[in-house]
Amino acid sequence: KAGVTQTPRYLIKTRGQQVTLSCSPISGHRSVSWYQQTPGQGLQFLFEYFSETQRNKGNFPGRFSGRQFSNSRSEMNVSTLELGDSALYLCASSLDTGTSQFFGPGTRLTVL
Amino acid sequence: GENVEQHPSTLSVQEGDSAVIKCTYSDSASNYFPWYKQELGKGPQLIIDIRSNVGEKKDQRIAVTLNKTAKHFSLHITETQPEDSAVYFCAAIRQGGSEKLVFGKGTKLTVNP
Repeated sequence: KAGVTQTPRYLIKTRGQQVTLSCSPISGHRSVSWYQQTPGQGLQFLFEYFSETQRNKGNFPGRFSGRQFSNSRSEMNVSTLELGDSALYLCASSLDTGTSQFFGPGTRLTVL
Repeated sequence: GENVEQHPSTLSVQEGDSAVIKCTYSDSASNYFPWYKQELGKGPQLIIDIRSNVGEKKDQRIAVTLNKTAKHFSLHITETQPEDSAVYFCAAIRQGGSEKLVFGKGTKLTVNP
């Protein structure tokens, strides 16, 4: 069974731009969660989608948004990028909320 | 909501020694506790997990113990090898609910040859 895939793997953007990251979950998994990881901050939860509905949301500004499609693939968008948005963005899929999560390799975003 | 504390933040051991990482959780309703290993440049990988109806679980050189009364759980790695060097994260959640998985802040383990 193929694992979680994320595209692109690396991105360089400038302040003020927007970016869209994509995540394809493991086949059969309906829950997709997104995390931001920065040095010293651990894994900070952004949001979780299940069957195209946002089920949980972390404490991030409205510039961070996401969606999930009927095939469970998910995208997250960050608008008006700031230098502090530079991070590794991780996607994790699971069968349902609270079940074992499996992570993708992440997208490394650098904001200049 | 749930809060997970993880200690130590860094741990250095000699190859062949044992390593122990400890986590405490706040919500007594939490019943699922996974551990993840993250190597440099990769996403976290689920290495072992334990449910609240079990006190200990082993998988080769790694084991996890759970003390529900004290609300803490630990990861034990025996006969450490250089390839065990990574950042380890613990997490907790109440399965069957709608809450999110809550992670500890991670432990950077270094195994010196």
